[in-house]
Amino acid sequence: LAKTTQPISMDSYEGQEVNITCSHNNIATNDYITWYQQFPSQGPRFIIQGYKTKVTNEVASLFIPADRKSSTLSLPRVSLSDTAVYYCLVGDHAGNNRKLIWGLGTSLAVNP
Amino acid sequence: GAVVSQHPSWVICKSGTSVKIECRSLDFQATTMFWYRQFPKQSLMLMATSNEGSKATYEQGVEKDKFLINHASLTLSTLTVTSAHPEDSSFYICSALAQTQYFGPGTRLLVL
Repeated sequence: LAKTTQPISMDSYEGQEVNITCSHNNIATNDYITWYQQFPSQGPRFIIQGYKTKVTNEVASLFIPADRKSSTLSLPRVSLSDTAVYYCLVGDHAGNNRKLIWGLGTSLAVNP
Repeated sequence: GAVVSQHPSWVICKSGTSVKIECRSLDFQATTMFWYRQFPKQSLMLMATSNEGSKATYEQGVEKDKFLINHASLTLSTLTVTSAHPEDSSFYICSALAQTQYFGPGTRLLVL
């Protein structure tokens, strides 16, 4: 299972764009990259998932370079309610090995 | 879509009693569900993988006789903490597998 490395914490201000980069040097061919958001005392919430290039949805964008050894979650114009822990995970969701290894995540603090 | 519920959201029990936590996928069927435990300021720890109609697969170090898992239908998995002790106090989170894992809101267990 691929391990991921991401910054422990980040600070930002309301209205700014936030980019959180995750390293996953040992990503396997079948692995997808998934990002989750977690607020205190709540279950993680799915944000976005991708395999390569760029994926965009209504809340975020995910940039994946050609070698797939890293990925960047981009949150446009953050607000105070985006203060949370963000987890980057890699894994083969459709295959037999569906387990995901959770790191410590990135604690994002959005300031007024 | 892809909503997962948990019941109860919190529970307080006496040491030595058993507690059952339910995890339901509300708008989709899930052959596979996962149970996690999360301690304060820590990441999610996978406890077991629950497969509909078969025995659960437990992670190393997780006692299967203490944490009983039953996945009786495609929309329901239950986790029973038997003979609970104070060290079992934690935040228990389930997820259901669709194209990715969708998480429940979690259950806070406090054993006195």
